[in-house]
This record gives sequence, structure tokens and C-alpha cells, in this order.
Amino acid sequence: DTGVSQNPRHKITKRGQNVTFRCDPISEHNRLYWYRQTLGQGPEFLTYFQNEAQLEKSRLLSDRFSAERPKGSFSTLEIQRTEQGDSAMYLCASGVMTNYGYTFGSGTRLTVV
Amino acid sequence: QQPVQSPQAVILREGEDAVINCSSSKALYSVHWYRQKHGEAPVFLMILLKGGEQKGHEKISASFNEKKQQSSLYLTASQLSYSGTYFCGTEDGSSNTGKLIFGQGTTLQVKP
Repeated sequence: DTGVSQNPRHKITKRGQNVTFRCDPISEHNRLYWYRQTLGQGPEFLTYFQNEAQLEKSRLLSDRFSAERPKGSFSTLEIQRTEQGDSAMYLCASGVMTNYGYTFGSGTRLTVV
Repeated sequence: QQPVQSPQAVILREGEDAVINCSSSKALYSVHWYRQKHGEAPVFLMILLKGGEQKGHEKISASFNEKKQQSSLYLTASQLSYSGTYFCGTEDGSSNTGKLIFGQGTTLQVKP
């Protein structure tokens, strides 16, 4: 069990550029979540995958955000035409069942300048 | 809706006890508790399920009042390592996604 791995750890990008983050969950975990966290706040739900199927997406998520989980393994989160308001920590979490809690990755910190 | 945590912050001396509360306006299926240290990932502490089942670390205790839609986390004989921000995450059970809505966090500082 190597935990949940996220890359890159930090990303600085210019406004208007596209960015992509990667999450490698614990191998036997079929559930994968993306959350966004800003300073002083709790994580905010973005989207959920069960295996390769994206089953829920936050209504707060604009169409500039897209996520994939091909073959039910790693997942990517892409933000197109980044805005300064997208600056945040993007967290990935994985789990087997909701009854056992989730394992979070260390996150990718995005700064849009 | 986001659950409300109280207090927002607490400072303790080693060995003292603390209680962190989490209150929701919606009927809940489960409540999760996580601790996050600065710059690190949230770490799972405990889950409390509707019906009374609990899973978590041995040294952590918590309660879940389903009728009041409230949960409390009990930290006893605090250690320096308990410092961090504690988040409750609630699941209302309306879908089977396990999506959590997190509170705004409670910052705990334990001093020697």
C-alpha cells in the first residue's frame, strides 16, 4: 500500500493556460474523488468515479473542468482557460466503500498568476 | 449544506481534553472525521454510521446523534501530535456515491 499519489505537487500557471493533474489511487480502491480546498476551508467536492464511470459532478464545477479515469485506474483532472479563482489545493481521495473512510493524497497546489 | 463545526479553534496544554462538534441541517447517513496538518493530506480518523456502527482509530472516540444530526469528536489526554485542523465530513445518503460535505474545520493547538 503506497497510498494515494498526486502529481505534480505544485503548479504555477498563467491565466488562460490549461493544466492537468494526475491522481494514482490505492490499487484496490474502486472509488475515486476529487476535492478542492482553499485556505482556511474544508475540502469541497468536485467529482466522483466508481471504477471508470464518472457518477457525480458538482453543480459548482464549470465546464472548464473535466476529469477522466480510464480503465478505472489513475485519474486526471484538467482545467481549461485557468482563472485566478481556480487557485487552490486539488485533493484526490480513494476508497473501497464509504463505510471504511477514504485515503487522501497530498494534493496539487495550483497557483494561477 | 455545509455542516457547522464548533469551536473554530481551541488551544490546549498537553494532557487536557477537548470536544469538537459537528452539526448538520440535513438527515445524515454517516459522519467522517479527518485531521489535517499544515501542508499535508487529511488523514482519516473515524467514521460513524447511521445505526450506531463506528470504525476508526483506537485512541479516538466520537458520538453520533442521528436525531439531532450532530456528531462530536472527543480528544482525551491530548498530545502534541494531536495539533492540526479537524474536519467533519457528512454524507446524507441521498445517493450511493459516498460524497462528503466538509465543515469549515476546527484548529487545535496543543502546547507543552
